[in-house]
Amino acid sequence: NAGVTQTPKFRVLKTGQSMTLLCAQDMNHEYMYWYRQDPGMGLRLIHYSVGEGTTAKGEVPDGYNVSRLKKQNFLLGLESAAPSQTSVYFCASSEDSSGANVLTFGAGSRLTVL
Amino acid sequence: GQNIDQPTEMTATEGAIVQINCTYQTSGFNGLFWYQQHAGEAPTFLSYNVLDGLEEKGRFSSFLSRSKGYSYLLLKELQMKDSASYLCAVRDSNYQLIWGAGTKLIIKP
Repeated sequence: NAGVTQTPKFRVLKTGQSMTLLCAQDMNHEYMYWYRQDPGMGLRLIHYSVGEGTTAKGEVPDGYNVSRLKKQNFLLGLESAAPSQTSVYFCASSEDSSGANVLTFGAGSRLTVL
Repeated sequence: GQNIDQPTEMTATEGAIVQINCTYQTSGFNGLFWYQQHAGEAPTFLSYNVLDGLEEKGRFSSFLSRSKGYSYLLLKELQMKDSASYLCAVRDSNYQLIWGAGTKLIIKP
């Protein structure tokens, strides 16, 4: 099992450019999440999905869009990148959100916006 | 607002014991998690507490006091590979995870 796979691992963008981060999981998990991790701060939830075809806003959704057309994939899009979006992005998945269900994380995608 | 507090950094010696504290103020409580994150890698699950008391798992133990809004992660027989950041996260009343900034643990020989 590959678990959660994120692509790309690294990317440098210029301000105003667009890009998409791809997350794929092979564990048949219903829930998928996109987080960003910045120095000195906890993981912050950008968007999440509770099943195929659904998306919802997290704590810091502005400037990002997501889609979950297939259960195994969760895409994060930046339409017009800004330097404030320089961060490490983690995708995660879980069976559901209750009990001891834990998150399985991807390896992360480091994005730099110049 | 919701808040998770952890020390920013701790140093300990190989073979010793270290306790990493986490205090929280959240809208409701539906469980507390500890994750380990090595530099440049993804967080990985360590422990889960939902009832008061101590959960032991090998060299790692996690304690919870819901009335005090307090948890700690206890690492025994420290090894160099335990050098990592330790993240505390609380699931609130909306079943959303609120994350602390993490505690960077440095192990010295």
